Amino acid sequence: ETGVTQTPRHLVMGMTNKKSLKCEQHLGHNAMYWYKQSAKKPLELMFVYNFKEQTENNSVPSRFSPECPNSSHLFLHLHTLQPEDSALYLCASSQDERTVSSYNSPLHFGNGTRLTVT
Amino acid sequence: RKEVEQDPGPFNVPEGATVAFNCTYSNSASQSFFWYRQDCRKEPKLLMSVYSSGNEDGRFTAQLNRASQYISLLIRDSKLSDSATYLCVVRNQGGKLIFGQGTELSVKP
Repeated sequence: ETGVTQTPRHLVMGMTNKKSLKCEQHLGHNAMYWYKQSAKKPLELMFVYNFKEQTENNSVPSRFSPECPNSSHLFLHLHTLQPEDSALYLCASSQDERTVSSYNSPLHFGNGTRLTVT
Repeated sequence: RKEVEQDPGPFNVPEGATVAFNCTYSNSASQSFFWYRQDCRKEPKLLMSVYSSGNEDGRFTAQLNRASQYISLLIRDSKLSDSATYLCVVRNQGGKLIFGQGTELSVKP
């Protein structure tokens, strides 16, 4: 069983809809991540938060808006998406990646949200 | 050159075979290394961390060669259930995690 929980597991939305993905981790980690994985493609890092502070935005379009209210919760707000945004969206957590002592800490992934934009 | 590179495969092997994957990294100051396994349409799961002296977990052995800047994963006595994509992950000196594109393994009866 994963210590990182994502909801919903599946989401179908139209291009004019607004929806949010939710992620919660119960591992006591301080860093949380959003990744996107399109079919048959490698993982693409979207956002990183360390101690609730956004430390990386990997040139993600503004139609994706992250929110990290505390170290245990992470949201991805979606609006006016395009069909090419259909993908598996994965949340992950780890120890604070800026701390050298945490460098051996691996990522723990949630089950992902499979998003389809129609 | 990509920071982390893997042969995408697919590697098609019979049950019981031994198979090895390599992963090269370009940043000599990389700090830590991991192998993940990803099944089709599922999330990646940590298979094992890779330690400097090499480490083994059952049928799986991971090695690190800092001089040549690669890590390897050896799977002995392959099972059908080993079929998956194996992801190499490297943490660079800035703490950032870099994923390889994955190597696909298919174990056949």
